[in-house]
Amino acid sequence: AQSVTQPDIHITVSEGASLELRCNYSYGATPYLFWYVQSPGQGLQLLLKYFSGDTLVQGIKGFEAEFKRSQSSFNLRKPSVHWSDAAEYFCAVVPGAQKLVFGQGTRLTINP
Amino acid sequence: DAGVTQSPTHLIKTRGQQVTLRCSPKSGHDTVSWYQQALGQGPQFIFQYYEEEERQRGNFPDRFSGHQFPNYSSELNVNALLLGDSALYLCASSSGTDTGELFFGEGSRLTVL
Repeated sequence: AQSVTQPDIHITVSEGASLELRCNYSYGATPYLFWYVQSPGQGLQLLLKYFSGDTLVQGIKGFEAEFKRSQSSFNLRKPSVHWSDAAEYFCAVVPGAQKLVFGQGTRLTINP
Repeated sequence: DAGVTQSPTHLIKTRGQQVTLRCSPKSGHDTVSWYQQALGQGPQFIFQYYEEEERQRGNFPDRFSGHQFPNYSSELNVNALLLGDSALYLCASSSGTDTGELFFGEGSRLTVL
């Protein structure tokens, strides 16, 4: 069965520091991959997506992610975080027909 | 352009009761999916509606049912509520021809006492 693993439940970084959130997936073929962000009490907002082609994808709010087929990973990165980036981040895979399978999420805390 | 709208935003029910949640998709979208997000967890797929039919279903009991109307809006019904049904219920819309990008509403927070 398709699955997504986000190994880090909670990450704390200082404002201005770089960020990397890990995501590993289990899927038989090359999946469609997504990163969503959820602020407290809010719905999910799409940060970026990978369908095919260039393995480094750019998203909104200065985020980027790199697809590595050999490692079954799709890690999210940002060079310098801002206090407003504090939120819950979800990696997701689409195994077919627009059905998303989500990871458990990584909660990001920003220290001033 | 209105995005995905859900109602109500919050509601409280007691065990055994029934609840109906509503969703209006983003303009131009014809597919509606419902997800359950328990506290501290990622969203779990409940089911998806397209052309007024349930197209896919996740691992949820028959107590969870839905409907899609001709205007593409949708309802999620849960019967015989259990304490474990307490969660944020998210509606997502998409176009049937898309490759999987979903647009989410802000959710309906259900508390079962």
